[in-house]
Parts: sequence; structure tokens; C-alpha cells
Amino acid sequence: DQQVKQNSPSLSVQEGRISILNCDYTNSMFDYFLWYKKYPAEGPTFLISISSIKDKNEDGRFTVFLNKSAKHLSLHIVPSQPGDSAVYFCAASTPGGTSYGKLTFGQGTILTVHP
Amino acid sequence: GAGVSQSPSNKVTEKGKDVELRCDPISGHTALYWYRQSLGQGLEFLIYFQGNSAPDKSGLPSDRFSAERTGGSVSTLTIQRTQQEDSAVYLCASSPRGGANQPQHFGDGTRLSIL
Repeated sequence: DQQVKQNSPSLSVQEGRISILNCDYTNSMFDYFLWYKKYPAEGPTFLISISSIKDKNEDGRFTVFLNKSAKHLSLHIVPSQPGDSAVYFCAASTPGGTSYGKLTFGQGTILTVHP
Repeated sequence: GAGVSQSPSNKVTEKGKDVELRCDPISGHTALYWYRQSLGQGLEFLIYFQGNSAPDKSGLPSDRFSAERTGGSVSTLTIQRTQQEDSAVYLCASSPRGGANQPQHFGDGTRLSIL
């Protein structure tokens, strides 16, 4: 079963506008959430994360929002730039002490930012 | 280089052959993870190493898959008697310690194609 879901396979946005990528999860034990960005033929790179004790985390143009009651998180990119065009993966982790970090990933959303 | 290194970058082999994939993590990182990404899917967890031991092998899809890590550094993932469904990109990641709040650094992956 897919515990982390990204229901939009793709998103197209104009440069300068806001990009909103969504992610839903089903496992209420998840307590840490991350977003990764992936370019073709490269490994994913970490973007931003959020702990379940928070509802918002901001880092420059990137903000992640977490709605625990809805089991939903979103990544906002503003303003969007053509270099942001990539596949974005949502990932989640369950608590496992300090010696664990197994991630469950969504299927990814392809973001295209048009100049 | 300073990043996670994987080899080979591409591997094409015939069904039934054995393959060995290598991962060189970032120096000093004690946690090492293997994932795979099948076409159109998200990343699927395979195995986690803390040092040389593997506390979690739950993602290995069958007993044809095995992995080891020596010297707390290099890891090899071995697939015996390969099948066509093993075709995927195999990704390795490392982090300074285990734990979800330690973002994982990914290599560029090995693209495995089984004919």
C-alpha cells in the first residue's frame, strides 16, 4: 500500500509565480517529513524538512506546511524559477530513536517552471 | 569527490546473471541506505546499515538480494539470478548518523537493465 502519496504527477507554473506541491500520507506514526528534489540522471538532493511538532518551516524561497489532522503536507516555492524545474519527492519517517532514518517516499511530482 | 559515489553508473546484463553494485558513502557517515526506483515510481527502501551491521533488511524484495558493508564504509548490493523485474535505478544514501533529522545524501544511482 502507498503510505505516502503525491497525487499530481506534474505541475506547470510560470516563472515568478508560486508553485504548490502536495503530499498526503496515511500512516499516523510518521513524525518527520522531508522534501527532496531530483534532476534527471542525478540522485535526489535534500530541500527542506519539518517535524510533526511544527506546522510550518521556512527556508528562503521554500516553505513546508504540515496539517497533521488532514495528514497532508505541501511545499511552496515562491517565486518559482526555471532552475526549480525537477521532480519533487515527499518523504516521511517514523520515530526510531537516534539510530534510524528509513524514508518512505511518494511517487514524485514533475515541476516545470516556464520562463 | 566529497559526495556519495556509486558504481557502475549503468549496468546491462542478461536474466539469470548475478550483479554487484557498489556504494562509497561520504567519509565519516555511519548510516548507509539502499533504495531503488522502478520506472514511474517513488524510491523504495531496501536496507539500512549502521556501521557494518544492518538493523533493518525489511525492504529486500527476495532472498536473491543481499548487501554487506565493510570497514564502516563501502557497501555492496548483490542481486543473484537477476529477473527482469529487478530493472530499476538503485540509489545509495548516507548520513552522519541514523535518524530522520539527519538528511540523507544520495549518490547518482546505478541504472540496472535486465534483458
